[in-house]
Amino acid sequence: DAKTTQPPSMDCAEGRAANLPCNHSTISGNEYVYWYRQIHSQGPQYIIHGLKNNETNEMASLIITEDRKSSTLILPHATLRDTAVYYCISPRRYAGNMLTFGGGTRLMVKP
Amino acid sequence: EAGVAQSPRYKIIEKRQSVAFWCNPISGHATLYWYQQILGQGPKLLIQFQNNGVVDDSQLPKDRFSAERLKGVDSTLKIQPAKLEDSAVYLCASSYTSGRQNTGELFFGEGSRLTVL
Repeated sequence: DAKTTQPPSMDCAEGRAANLPCNHSTISGNEYVYWYRQIHSQGPQYIIHGLKNNETNEMASLIITEDRKSSTLILPHATLRDTAVYYCISPRRYAGNMLTFGGGTRLMVKP
Repeated sequence: EAGVAQSPRYKIIEKRQSVAFWCNPISGHATLYWYQQILGQGPKLLIQFQNNGVVDDSQLPKDRFSAERLKGVDSTLKIQPAKLEDSAVYLCASSYTSGRQNTGELFFGEGSRLTVL
């Protein structure tokens, strides 16, 4: 797995976009970038993943730099319910789905 | 669609006692995982099953932890004897795997919180 680096915590105002960065400078060509989040007292929840193209779904957008060494998860209009720990993970494509979680970023959405 | 079911939600035991956790994955999901999450840390993979076979158990403390998935569906994680440092949330997850196409989307249960006194 490529090593990922995230800031330990971030704040965001309710209604504003939350931009969560992730550095994965050692990523190789066949390694995806996955984002999960964990709301207090719940199991982690899948958000989005990508390989080299930007991706968007109903929850978030994922912007991956052209050199693939970093990415940004964007929550376009953060709500209080988006307060959670966000994990950026990069497993090998054919590594049996195994995900290694780091410390993540604790996002606090404030009113 | 029913999610990943785990039980019990909470368990308090004394050190050196034993405990077992049960997981029922989403129907049709061939891959099942057990993670350990200590307070303030990210989840740590303990063991991964593909159907009823073990794919990876390199981080499972095999002197005290054991896990099985006999019929390729439900799974049980056992700790015997428990130590104080085993206090954690034990998360079960499952995923759909078709050949070498791994979606990477894991579905997690709510976890079983263990307190060892």
